[in-house]
Amino acid sequence: KNQVEQSPQSLIILEGKNCTLQCNYTVSPFSNLRWYKQDTGRGPVSLTIMTFSENTKSNGRYTATLDADTKQSSLHITASQLSDSASYICVVSAQSGGYNKLIFGAGTRLAVHP
Amino acid sequence: DAMVIQNPRYQVTQFGKPVTLSCSQTLNHNVMYWYQQKSSQAPKLLFHYYDKDFNNEADTPDNFQSRRPNTSFCFLDIRSPGLGDAAMYLCATRPGGGRGETQYFGPGTRLLVL
Repeated sequence: KNQVEQSPQSLIILEGKNCTLQCNYTVSPFSNLRWYKQDTGRGPVSLTIMTFSENTKSNGRYTATLDADTKQSSLHITASQLSDSASYICVVSAQSGGYNKLIFGAGTRLAVHP
Repeated sequence: DAMVIQNPRYQVTQFGKPVTLSCSQTLNHNVMYWYQQKSSQAPKLLFHYYDKDFNNEADTPDNFQSRRPNTSFCFLDIRSPGLGDAAMYLCATRPGGGRGETQYFGPGTRLLVL
């Protein structure tokens, strides 16, 4: 069964600190992996996308890694800001019947405190 | 500039009273999706359109219907809302035609069923 599991479920950090969010997946056949940021009451916004051959991708203070062998990904946030408070969702794309189907994780809810 | 627009942002309806949620896009994307997201859970795909081709997920209840009268608009109709249908409903679009797989989400409509 295709699944995406994220940890921790929630996280509180102080402004300026770094943090790392984890994503483990059992999705086959794997197409790509995305990290989305979802602010409260808003739709998800794509942060990074990685294919099988890519093992790291950065977007400003966000750096995503992918280990396709162990089927793990992480999202590292550097020098956190209050505006980073949001849910971060790991989404893995699986090929299904000629098109890619997205498998969503439940998300990690991050709170950055001053 | 808003690219995926959802109206209304908040909708209150009564148990069993039909309700329609609206999504429009200015991206001219081929693919439009409807997701249901309950609190602290991952978005769940209900159905999607590739142009006029409708694709229903196997576990989407018959209570949920959709219409896409043209490229720009897509509607979600809930024929007889139950208390369990209270959720955030997200609309997303994707270019299609080999022009990329990233889905662009709207801000969502939060539905409350009394």
